[in-house]
Amino acid sequence: DIQMTQSPSSLSASVGDRVTITCRASQSISSYLNWYQQKPGKAPKLLISGASSLQSGVPSGFSGSGSGTDFTLTISSLQPEDFATYYCQQSYSTPWTFGQGTKVEI
Amino acid sequence: EVQLVESGGGLIQPGGSLRLSCVVSGFTVSSTYMSWVRQAPGKGLEWVSVLYDGGSTYYADSAKGRFTISRDNSRNTVYLQMNSLRAEDTAVYFCARVGAQSRNWGSFDFWGQGTLVTVSS
Repeated sequence: DIQMTQSPSSLSASVGDRVTITCRASQSISSYLNWYQQKPGKAPKLLISGASSLQSGVPSGFSGSGSGTDFTLTISSLQPEDFATYYCQQSYSTPWTFGQGTKVEI
Repeated sequence: EVQLVESGGGLIQPGGSLRLSCVVSGFTVSSTYMSWVRQAPGKGLEWVSVLYDGGSTYYADSAKGRFTISRDNSRNTVYLQMNSLRAEDTAVYFCARVGAQSRNWGSFDFWGQGTLVTVSS
């Protein structure tokens, strides 16, 4: 199975900050990397697929990059509604696996 | 408008069985890929199973041999039959549509609200 490791596990930030979350795969997954945002009590929301393709309706302040084993999710200017937990997920091969999550807090 | 609505969760004793349902509107389940993803209380996300449009199915090791994903095309509904339930199966179970295009392959682009399964005596 492909292991996905996110860092950091949590971070404290302020509105307006630039935030970067990293995700590392235990083997190359090409660009089969997806990012999700989850708020408490809600279903996850797909932000980025294919490592860098922003989903329709997702603010342009979110961006993704990387290929192979190392990936990043960047929030260019943190907004109040961005405080949430973020997960990466590899879709290169089943079993599809998620990172452990990164909680972005004030 | 796309909607996925899960039901069927509840409290069940260890060793018991439960069938979850996911009623879909806005697209046809028979022509796309559908998955179940679960989240134990206070924990991260865990993929459980996928059903491809052609009928192929795949499972996480934790579900293999105990869970079965299926669909009813006439009801546009996806199911997860869960047998031999264990305490560690306690989680919110989400159904989700799986992206099948090159730019979103294997991503979960639409989700239901989830249904809670609690396995306890």
